[in-house]
Amino acid sequence: GQQVMQIPQYQHVQEGEDFTTYCNSSTTLSNIQWYKQRPGGHPVFLIQLVKSGEVKKQKRLTFQFGEAKKNSSLHITATQTTDVGTYFCAEETSGSRLTFGEGTQLTVNP
Amino acid sequence: NAGVMQNPRHLVRRRGQEARLRCSPMKGHSHVYWYRQLPEEGLKFMVYLQKENIIDESGMPKERFSAEFPKEGPSILRIQQVVRGDSAAYFCASSSTPGWGYTFGSGTRLTVV
Repeated sequence: GQQVMQIPQYQHVQEGEDFTTYCNSSTTLSNIQWYKQRPGGHPVFLIQLVKSGEVKKQKRLTFQFGEAKKNSSLHITATQTTDVGTYFCAEETSGSRLTFGEGTQLTVNP
Repeated sequence: NAGVMQNPRHLVRRRGQEARLRCSPMKGHSHVYWYRQLPEEGLKFMVYLQKENIIDESGMPKERFSAEFPKEGPSILRIQQVVRGDSAAYFCASSSTPGWGYTFGSGTRLTVV
């Protein structure tokens, strides 16, 4: 079945450094959604990208969807300790089910 | 708007017992989804339900697992004769319109001892 690969698995940064996580697929994605899960918490929807080459920003977060719709990225500028958590990408496939990547676990050292 | 409500938050069961996990979607949401998350892993789709209908159960194990979403009351995920491998976090999500993001509940952490 469809697989969404996410890298890196772990990322440790100093507060103030930038952070990027990447989501890749061998086949064309119909859309991509991003979620954040704090330690011990539940996934929280951040954004959905649908169009080829789409770029969306939320304050320090920038989301991109590749031109070929086979990859996506989430970039955080000047990380803060509140950014700690695991970031997941997910594709919503036909039938309204989400296929999640394995996530990137971000830790931020103050 | 109380969000997606799941209970219990934590559930401990001995091997062979039954586990019942409950989920009440957000008010106005008629689509419910169950996902399972093993430690340090991503979420895996289990089942998609609308009121009184199972739409997609392709992610459900064939045995011991069942789900329902009755006309009245919460959605129930039932695991019979639990085994240690069932230990995981089970999340419920709901949406009013598929395709515009999902709201997840706080999850039920099931531990089988």
